Amino acid sequence: SQTIHQWPATLVQPVGSPLSLECTVEGTSNPNLYWYRQAAGRGLQLLFYSVGIGQISSEVPQNLSASRPQDRQFILSSKKLLLSDSGFYLCAWSTTGAPSYEQYFGPGTRLTVT
Amino acid sequence: QKEVEQDPGPLSVPEGAIVSLNCTYSNSAFQYFMWYRQYSRKGPELLMYTYSSGNKEDGRFTAQVDKSSKYISLFIRDSQPSDSATYLCAMSGRGVTGGFKTIFGAGTRLFVKA
Repeated sequence: SQTIHQWPATLVQPVGSPLSLECTVEGTSNPNLYWYRQAAGRGLQLLFYSVGIGQISSEVPQNLSASRPQDRQFILSSKKLLLSDSGFYLCAWSTTGAPSYEQYFGPGTRLTVT
Repeated sequence: QKEVEQDPGPLSVPEGAIVSLNCTYSNSAFQYFMWYRQYSRKGPELLMYTYSSGNKEDGRFTAQVDKSSKYISLFIRDSQPSDSATYLCAMSGRGVTGGFKTIFGAGTRLFVKA
């Protein structure tokens, strides 16, 4: 069966510090991968998605970046965090070649920027 | 106008009640309609999805899509305290650039009181 992992589960970082969140998927090959941010009381905001190694599409221009160094690894990064980067970050995957309607989410990382 | 509108609630009902959760949307290109359940501090999990208009039933849950009205619903029969969670609607279809995209509602918080 497929599983998706995210770490860390929670993170408190000062403004201006770097960020690295990691997501890995097991039990499937060549998945589509997604990074979302969920702010309190708001919907899921798609940040990045990837259809393959090194292929990243950005949905929202901001100080975050994403990389996919391996087939089942997706990393969200920032060089300098802003207060507005606080939120709940979710990684998700879907089957390659299929529409993205059936997505499976990881447990999330709660980021607080102080 | 937002692409998806969903009342954030909270919605509080007694155990055993029938719950009705709803979303409206504006993009007629959406073809897939999903409901996700999200427990506190967890990632969303896919409950069910429907293609185009019609009803779909799965145990105590029924999803309904009315494309003519751009309105989707999730009904929960015999609600249980374990159903207390945030329910997010989502829909997928071709975006204005031709690529496939998924949009999520902000979620409705449901409390089922024992």
